[in-house]
Amino acid sequence: AQSVTQLDSQVPVFEEAPVELRCNYSSSVSVYLFWYVQYPNQGLQLLLKYLSGSTLVKGINGFEAEFNKSQTSFHLRKPSVHISDTAEYFCAVNTGFQKLVFGTGTRLLVSP
Amino acid sequence: DTGVSQDPRHKITKRGQNVTFRCDPISEHNRLYWYRQTLGQGPEFLTYFQNEAQLEKSRLLSDRFSAERPKGSFSTLEIQRTEQGDSAMYLCASSPNRGYPWEQYFGPGTRLTVT
Repeated sequence: AQSVTQLDSQVPVFEEAPVELRCNYSSSVSVYLFWYVQYPNQGLQLLLKYLSGSTLVKGINGFEAEFNKSQTSFHLRKPSVHISDTAEYFCAVNTGFQKLVFGTGTRLLVSP
Repeated sequence: DTGVSQDPRHKITKRGQNVTFRCDPISEHNRLYWYRQTLGQGPEFLTYFQNEAQLEKSRLLSDRFSAERPKGSFSTLEIQRTEQGDSAMYLCASSPNRGYPWEQYFGPGTRLTVT
């Protein structure tokens, strides 16, 4: 079975500072990895995905993530955050086109 | 492409009542998923349809829960005899048959409050 660990429940950061949100996964087979963002009272929006190929993937809104198979990690990064990036971020894994398994989420709080 | 839609967006009901939610997936997406998200948690998988066939159900889906997708288009999720523990956001997602079937697109969710 797959599982996802997001160690940081909340990450406070100042506007224009860089940020990294951590995600580790556990799976005995090859995985597809995703980051989703959820704004208050809304559904989830896909930020980026790793399916295969290059381990550095770029997504929307200036976010990127790096797949590290040896460390079973898929950390999300942004070099300079904006106030509008304040939201909940979820890392997710699946092994095909069935269910996604999500982490518990990391709340990114960007302050001026 | 109008995205995944869900109705209603909010539902307040009294314990013991039945509720039904509807999800309309992106047109031509043949895969449809239901998830439940409680406060402070990530979404948890409930069930999955490919066309009209329900292919997987989570053990979270008790006997009081039933989901249907009769014509392979929209889906309904019904909860009978609601309990306070059913209070959550219910999310629907869909994914295509071709192209990127691994990518799930989510709707805005239905927030259920059981009083």
